[in-house]
Amino acid sequence: GAVVSQHPSRVICKSGTSVKIECRSLDFQATTMFWYRQFPKQSLMLMATSNEGSKATYEQGVEKDKFLINHASLTLSTLTVTSAHPEDSSFYICSATEAGESYTFGSGTRLTVV
Amino acid sequence: KNEVEQSPQNLTAQEGEFITINCSYSVGISALHWLQQHPGGGIVSLFMLSSGKKKHGRLIATINIQEKHSSLHITASHPRDSAVYICAVCKAAGNKLTFGGGTRVLVKP
Repeated sequence: GAVVSQHPSRVICKSGTSVKIECRSLDFQATTMFWYRQFPKQSLMLMATSNEGSKATYEQGVEKDKFLINHASLTLSTLTVTSAHPEDSSFYICSATEAGESYTFGSGTRLTVV
Repeated sequence: KNEVEQSPQNLTAQEGEFITINCSYSVGISALHWLQQHPGGGIVSLFMLSSGKKKHGRLIATINIQEKHSSLHITASHPRDSAVYICAVCKAAGNKLTFGGGTRVLVKP
């Protein structure tokens, strides 16, 4: 089946630094990638939607300059948390679809900012 | 009111019991998804439904488009089925998913 590889699975970084999270579709073309954030015991919150080769569409309240999304190829999308602060600590997860045929999730990244 | 409502929020069952999770939605959809999230956080897509019924192992998912309702059944439940089960709908193919609040299932041995 379709697989999305997400790295890193866990990362601890210092306040003020930037962290990059990668999602790769291994055996299909991810025409659309979704990036989510999840707080403990809460549902997934969509941050942005990106289509290959075009700018990401951010949900209301999500700072596009803080959460940089790049979807330069049909198999790779990255989320960069810039100038991270402790309040950015969260679980981030991506999901990819090839024209809506199926939606495949990455394994998630637990970010801790100290 | 949320566009996707799930019930129950929490469910505890004894091993071997039959489990049903319900999902109601209020919008037109192209497909409905059932997802499973384990404590580690990873999410697995269980089913994608646009009509009828699907079965995979001990899991069965049904959808009634007219009533805007779907159910996920787990037969002969096992402790390894303990997870959060999430219903999500897609209004158009390739579009974002709208999630229900999730059902936390605990199966005791």
